Amino acid sequence: AQKVTQAQTEISVVEKEDVTLDCVYETRDTTYYLFWYKQPPSGELVFLIRRNSFDEQNEISGRYSWNFQKSTSSFNFTITASQVVDSAVYFCALKRSGYALNFGKGTSLLVTP
Amino acid sequence: AAGVIQSPRHLIKEKRETATLKCYPIPRHDTVYWYQQGPGQDPQFLISFYEKMQSDKGSIPDRFSAQQFSDYHSELNMSSLELGDSALYFCASSEDRGRLSEWGTGELFFGEGSRLTVL
Repeated sequence: AQKVTQAQTEISVVEKEDVTLDCVYETRDTTYYLFWYKQPPSGELVFLIRRNSFDEQNEISGRYSWNFQKSTSSFNFTITASQVVDSAVYFCALKRSGYALNFGKGTSLLVTP
Repeated sequence: AAGVIQSPRHLIKEKRETATLKCYPIPRHDTVYWYQQGPGQDPQFLISFYEKMQSDKGSIPDRFSAQQFSDYHSELNMSSLELGDSALYFCASSEDRGRLSEWGTGELFFGEGSRLTVL
């Protein structure tokens, strides 16, 4: 069975704080993909990152960074120096090769000035 | 670059009516996925098509049907609409069923969504 758990339902931080969004996944497949999407209040799903199961390199993109650890089945997302525009719902998702994307329940992030 | 196009962006229907949503994938993408996202919920997978054949099925109600046409665009038909069908409907496309392969990079590209309101 496939499952994505985002234990944090809502997080509230003050601007410039760092925040980490947790994602834990379950799968029996050896080839799979992990994604993070941002959904702002306007509703569209904005692609942030994709990781393949055989690539455990962490990644940094500006204020965003991702920590992929197969040993703990986690793919956590950190925003450094958060900004009000980061306020959104963030979804972690898991995809088996050849199948559809399976989303977590999402974490609603509120960044206040 | 061309993205996934969904139409209409907004749709208002009465209970028991029928609605059709359209999705135009990125050129050369052969796989289309449909998702339904209720208020405050995560997107739920409905159905997918690869090369015009159904490739995977999720929690799609029997009142809904979908197909992929020869030009790879897809339509989601919803009949006997219920209040609970009010949601944001996303279409996504990929190459080769989203497999990391010689033909696909494993990426899914989402459209901006169609918001259906059932009154």
